[in-house]
Amino acid sequence: GEDVEQSLFLSVREGDSSVINCTYTDSSSTYLYWYKQEPGAGLQLLTYIFSNMDMKQDQRLTVLLNKKDKHLSLRIADTQTGDSAIYFCAETAGRRALTFGSGTRLQVQP
Amino acid sequence: GAGVSQSPSNKVTEKGKDVELRCDPISGHTALYWYRQSLGQGLEFLIYFQGNSAPDKSGLPSDRFSAERTGGSVSTLTIQRTQQEDSAVYLCASSQSRGNTEAFFGQGTRLTVV
Repeated sequence: GEDVEQSLFLSVREGDSSVINCTYTDSSSTYLYWYKQEPGAGLQLLTYIFSNMDMKQDQRLTVLLNKKDKHLSLRIADTQTGDSAIYFCAETAGRRALTFGSGTRLQVQP
Repeated sequence: GAGVSQSPSNKVTEKGKDVELRCDPISGHTALYWYRQSLGQGLEFLIYFQGNSAPDKSGLPSDRFSAERTGGSVSTLTIQRTQQEDSAVYLCASSQSRGNTEAFFGQGTRLTVV
């Protein structure tokens, strides 16, 4: 079945860049997403990328997709304390529900 | 409504009781998803409704779990004879169509079985 893997924890200093990595197994994945979950809150879609793209930039966020290696990354430039949250990678082939990773907890130190 | 609405936001129930969790998706969204998030864990897929198609129930963990979606809108997730391991946050999401780029999530229902 589909599987999505993420590292559990990342700690960075304020102002540095953060890179959160994700790998997935389904080669038919069409849409790949990054969601953010702040403490006690629901999931907020940050950005997404189609499988026919290899990069997408949206303000401080850069998504890189290596389809050959089934590797997705999210880079947050100039990380702020407000970026502290859990970041979930998710994918779907469009015919089924989203499959989520276990989430990466980003801790931003002042 | 403006977003996906879930009720109740918190539910404490005794082991063995049945519970119903409600999800009101965004108007016009044909796809509806239920996920479960246990403490410190990722999201576990439970069930997926898409329009008038038969729902994908492949994620339901046992036959104590069931869900329905009436009139293609509101959905109810029912857990019968609750167990302590059912304690989790139950999240509902909706999207405009199958494979749509954005699924909007509700705030979740935190279920505690004591």
